[in-house]
Amino acid sequence: NAGVTQTPKFQVLKTGQSMTLQCAQDMNHNSMYWYRQDPGMGLRLIYYSASEGTTDKGEVPNGYNVSRLNKREFSLRLESAAPSQTSVYFCASSQGQGIDGYTFGSGTRLTVV
Amino acid sequence: AQSVTQPDIHITVSEGASLELRCNYSYGATPYLFWYVQSPGQGLQLLLKYFSGDTLVQGIKGFEAEFKRSQSSFNLRKPSVHWSDAAEYFCAVRSGGYQKVTFGTGTKLQVIP
Repeated sequence: NAGVTQTPKFQVLKTGQSMTLQCAQDMNHNSMYWYRQDPGMGLRLIYYSASEGTTDKGEVPNGYNVSRLNKREFSLRLESAAPSQTSVYFCASSQGQGIDGYTFGSGTRLTVV
Repeated sequence: AQSVTQPDIHITVSEGASLELRCNYSYGATPYLFWYVQSPGQGLQLLLKYFSGDTLVQGIKGFEAEFKRSQSSFNLRKPSVHWSDAAEYFCAVRSGGYQKVTFGTGTKLQVIP
């Protein structure tokens, strides 16, 4: 009963470094999402993947890229990290368009110094 | 554009007291409405959802919410709060496709013995 698994849980990067956040789900969900959570701002959608082989921009895509590797896995890449990308990142998945809600991972806390 | 307002940033209640967390949304039609709970260091967990039908919906952990169209509200309630309910609660509105889910900024609940 793993649900949505995110790695790593914590990461500190220097400005300009790159990294990839990994996400995997075992619920056979079609759709996957990356959100960032910042204090006082709720959750904001970075990218989503409606189905395997497709990805689309969300509300705040700048500075990020994604890959839907297969139905289970959806990764988020920061090519050149900036302090403004310090945040908590959540991966989520849903069956279809999410009218039944999302299942979230436990998050990655990223600090860019 | 749709929006979600959670007017209370922080609420403190005594254990055993009743609870009501407010959520107001702005959207032309009846949206899909959700409440999520986030415990410290964890991802969001779906508490309940509303699409249509009975305006009072029951969720997990003894929570319920009432949809009031005339007030554009979807308030979360619990008759008797337990110490384990201390967490942050997010209201969310889905008004369209994958990218049309808006989260409120959250209400942090503190429970005192």
